[in-house]
Amino acid sequence: GQNIDQPTEMTATEGAIVQINCTYQTSGFNGLFWYQQHAGEAPTFLSYNVLDGLEEKGRFSSFLSRSKGYSYLLLKELQMKDSASYLCAVSAWEGGKLIFGQGTELSVKP
Amino acid sequence: GAGVSQSPRYKVAKRGQDVALRCDPISGHVSLFWYQQALGQGPEFLTYFQNEAQLDKSGLPSDRFFAERPEGSVSTLKIQRTQQEDSAVYLCASSFQTASYEQYFGPGTRLTVT
Repeated sequence: GQNIDQPTEMTATEGAIVQINCTYQTSGFNGLFWYQQHAGEAPTFLSYNVLDGLEEKGRFSSFLSRSKGYSYLLLKELQMKDSASYLCAVSAWEGGKLIFGQGTELSVKP
Repeated sequence: GAGVSQSPRYKVAKRGQDVALRCDPISGHVSLFWYQQALGQGPEFLTYFQNEAQLDKSGLPSDRFFAERPEGSVSTLKIQRTQQEDSAVYLCASSFQTASYEQYFGPGTRLTVT
């Protein structure tokens, strides 16, 4: 079956660094995506990894290990506006449909 | 430039009514996806179109759900004889191509069945 696991919620302090982990077991793998979703809004794209290693984009970085079925999203210099749900999703086949985890609700406190 | 738009944004239906949810993808995007998102959960795949062809409908929960994209642009998700368990946010996403291309999501339609 298909399974994506990530923590339900996390809390961090403004200015700090937080790492959100994601493990996956899927029948195929064509890339891993991270999306940010503020309450009541559409998910917005953050990152895409298809090869092992770290992808850095400003304050956000994403890591992938295909052999371990593991990814993380690293957020640096946290800001209050980073409070949102972070969704890990795997593209399991060429058609591109995404299999999502349940999302990690991140609360950034002053 | 316009993003993905969906209408209506909110829909309240009485149990047993039929509803139709519309999605306008980004112009030129080949792929279109429908997802269902329950409160506090991640989106779940419903169906996928490449142009006008519905290539995967494995996520549709029952034969009460039907989707179409007749001209390869606008898509409609129809739910017949709505049930309370159909209450959710229905998200539409489009992408330029498939697989490794990021999907751009619309704001969703929040459906409440009373």
